[in-house]
Amino acid sequence: EVQLVESGGGLVQPGRSLKLSCVASGFTFSNYGMNWIRQAPGKGLEWVAYISSGSSYIYYAETVKGRFTISRDNAKNTLYLQMTSLRSEDTALYYCARRYYFDYWGQGVMVTVSS
Amino acid sequence: DVVLTQTPPTLSATIGQSVSISCRSSQSLLHSNGNTYLNWLLQRPGQPPQLLIYLVSRLESGVPNRFSGSGSGTDFTLKISGVEAEDLGVYYCVQSTHAPFTFGSGTKLEIK
Repeated sequence: EVQLVESGGGLVQPGRSLKLSCVASGFTFSNYGMNWIRQAPGKGLEWVAYISSGSSYIYYAETVKGRFTISRDNAKNTLYLQMTSLRSEDTALYYCARRYYFDYWGQGVMVTVSS
Repeated sequence: DVVLTQTPPTLSATIGQSVSISCRSSQSLLHSNGNTYLNWLLQRPGQPPQLLIYLVSRLESGVPNRFSGSGSGTDFTLKISGVEAEDLGVYYCVQSTHAPFTFGSGTKLEIK
């Protein structure tokens, strides 16, 4: 069974940093591209970043470019999102999802940016 | 960036009724490799989204065949042939042809 489990969220002050993790199981993680998507409270889905299976291709939304870094450790079956210079508008539920088709999603991890 | 315009924003249907959701793109979603990476997702209340349709019209495994997708280029449609109670939620189209990837604004399906 494919599983994606996010962690690392919490309450953080504006301007600070946070690193999210997404641990994958039930499939060969190193064969698949991965995404981060977020959803602000009561709002729609916003794509954040994508990383290809071998980390050769990385893309970001303009809203996070230069502040967020997506990475992965295929030996640990783990996807990461390093978030710096956090703003109140980054407050959201953050999901990881598999491949271009978004075929599997985690349950999400909440990030709240507030003083 | 590609803008996906979904209509209608809300939809109210009775059980058994057939409904359609439109997703229009600001540019063609045909990739240079010949694929069109337009997918449809359903987010039920309190749940993460789930994939319904990928590559415009391919039904994800385990998804009921009352769901179907069609379209090409810039115009795409999700059709539900015979709405059931479990279909309530918010439907999103998402494109992964052009980076940055983008989601439509969503269509909320309510059951009368």
